[in-house]
Amino acid sequence: DAGVTQSPTHLIKTRGQQVTLRCSPISGHKSVSWYQQVLGQGPQFIFQYYEKEERGRGNFPDRFSARQFPNYSSELNVNALLLGDSALYLCASSLVRGQGATEAFFGQGTRLTVV
Amino acid sequence: AQKITQTQPGMFVQEKEAVTLDCTYDTSDQSYGLFWYKQPSSGEMIFLIYQGSYDEQNATEGRYSLNFQKARKSANLVISASQLGDSAMYFCAMRDNYGGSQGNLIFGKGTKLSVKP
Repeated sequence: DAGVTQSPTHLIKTRGQQVTLRCSPISGHKSVSWYQQVLGQGPQFIFQYYEKEERGRGNFPDRFSARQFPNYSSELNVNALLLGDSALYLCASSLVRGQGATEAFFGQGTRLTVV
Repeated sequence: AQKITQTQPGMFVQEKEAVTLDCTYDTSDQSYGLFWYKQPSSGEMIFLIYQGSYDEQNATEGRYSLNFQKARKSANLVISASQLGDSAMYFCAMRDNYGGSQGNLIFGKGTKLSVKP
């Protein structure tokens, strides 16, 4: 079975540009979350989507946006890139059961470098 | 506010020995989940073990076990019989299972484990 897949794996962008990162969850998982991990820190929550609706948003500026498609894949968009947006962006998918979400499984991440 | 604290920036362990990685958490919720992830230098977060707040037994997965002490709000990871491939960053995380929704994961700063041959 395929795990969580993210594309691209590496990306270099210039300040002020826009970027789109993509994520395909594990088959059957309807919840997708995005995290930003800067060097030397733990991941920070950006967005959570479930059944194509935004269910949570972390403390990130409006330059960050996301969406989830009918097949539960997701895109994360970042506009007007800053040097500080350089990070590893992780996507996680979860299976939701009656008591809430189960463990989150992560993709390999997209390493974004802004120059 | 919910918080995860990992007080050990780095740990060394001899191959084949056991090691305990510390994690304490802070939450006012009654229902929550605790996780440990391993992150090798490649960057992928690998799920290791999960403990629900209502689980009475400590979780175990192969060489990994979670020492859950609810009253002390601690969820330490124990790795038995360390292997060279265990060298990596280890993150403790918490999810709040609120309102039938999914919550998000709150991570600690991580502990870098180095296994010595």
